[in-house]
Amino acid sequence: QQPVQSPQAVILREGEDAVINCSSSKALYSVHWYRQKHGEAPVFLMILLKGGEQKGHEKISASFNEKKQQSSLYLTASQLSYSGTYFCGTERDTDKLIFGTGTRLQVFP
Amino acid sequence: DTEVTQTPKHLVMGMTNKKSLKCEQHMGHRAMYWYKQKAKKPPELMFVYSYEKLSINESVPSRFSPECPNSSLLNLHLHALQPEDSALYLCASSQVGSSNQPQHFGDGTRLSIL
Repeated sequence: QQPVQSPQAVILREGEDAVINCSSSKALYSVHWYRQKHGEAPVFLMILLKGGEQKGHEKISASFNEKKQQSSLYLTASQLSYSGTYFCGTERDTDKLIFGTGTRLQVFP
Repeated sequence: DTEVTQTPKHLVMGMTNKKSLKCEQHMGHRAMYWYKQKAKKPPELMFVYSYEKLSINESVPSRFSPECPNSSLLNLHLHALQPEDSALYLCASSQVGSSNQPQHFGDGTRLSIL
């Protein structure tokens, strides 16, 4: 079953923060996060493997609550380049990545 | 620039045509994937190849026929497609066992069925 992301869309001014959530109804082995700009390929951001694990990538970090079957992506001090659609991807079977519903993020000057 | 190359970038075909989409990677990845993506929707997994063998087929109609001739190439053969098959088709690759490995995506082929 497809993970559900919230919110569906976010509008920010440069420098503002945002949180994107990803919830699954089933137990997860891992959570991936990707960003896709319009007309481009999805680009890998990070993978979280263990419950409670937090990973960071510059000003973008994420957490994984295995018990709650949830992951959150944190974007701090947003930049114009952060605009795009963010997808979580959850994996229960090896090599079978199921993408979430997506969150569209727009950052304005 | 992406490390996964897909050709063609755009394809328009009639419902009776036969065409093929191609995907190539030289990262030494032994898992390759086909996804279908409709506008404003997430990518949907179609097929997974692991060590050049088909390991996952997500109940895709037989008018889509994948092929993995070697570890670097992945093809998707198309025949008698329907208008609802119009979409962006993405290829991806990763190390086998993608739970701790990122998937690398190509830019996709935008397919339109007339």
